[in-house]
Amino acid sequence: GAGVSQTPSNKVTEKGKYVELRCDPISGHTALYWYRQSLGQGPEFLIYFQGTGAADDSGLPNDRFFAVRPEGSVSTLKIQRTERGDSAVYLCASSARGGESDTQYFGPGTRLTVL
Amino acid sequence: AQSVTQLGSHVSVSEGALVLLRCNYSSSVPPYLFWYVQYPNQGLQLLLKYTSAATLVKGINGFEAEFKKSETSFHLTKPSAHMSDAAEYFCAVSDSSASKIIFGSGTRLSIRP
Repeated sequence: GAGVSQTPSNKVTEKGKYVELRCDPISGHTALYWYRQSLGQGPEFLIYFQGTGAADDSGLPNDRFFAVRPEGSVSTLKIQRTERGDSAVYLCASSARGGESDTQYFGPGTRLTVL
Repeated sequence: AQSVTQLGSHVSVSEGALVLLRCNYSSSVPPYLFWYVQYPNQGLQLLLKYTSAATLVKGINGFEAEFKKSETSFHLTKPSAHMSDAAEYFCAVSDSSASKIIFGSGTRLSIRP
């Protein structure tokens, strides 16, 4: 009965470096979401996967951000040439089917700090 | 486009007092609405959700919310606050495209002994 897990829990990097953040969704969930939560704000949508494909990537802020889900389970969020403004908590969520009434279950997040 | 507005970034109540956290939504279609809670250093946890089955929705930990279409509101209440209720609370609406949840900016609830 494991929930959504995310690794690492904390990541400190230097400006300009590349980082990868991993998300393990609840087993059997076909939908997976990435959000970003800046200090003092609510989470903001980044990207939504249905199976292996990105069904909606309209929240990705620019082309430095990319995410994959090659086998329809684990997903990796990749950030190139990190900037200080990328510092935030990155949240992953999964839901059984994907749909506006479907409950999204959130992981604990990865806190990214860009120095 | 859907959106939510949470009134009050910080609410403080005494232990045992009524908790009322306000949320108003904007939606061009019947919305699906949620309240999530975030305890310090923990992930978001669903408190309750409205999916049009009933206007009064009961959630976990004694919380409930009432959907009022005429007021476009979905306020969260709890009759008697406990110290353990201290957390950040987020109201949210599901985007009609079904691809994402749109969150409010959050309300931090503090409980005074």
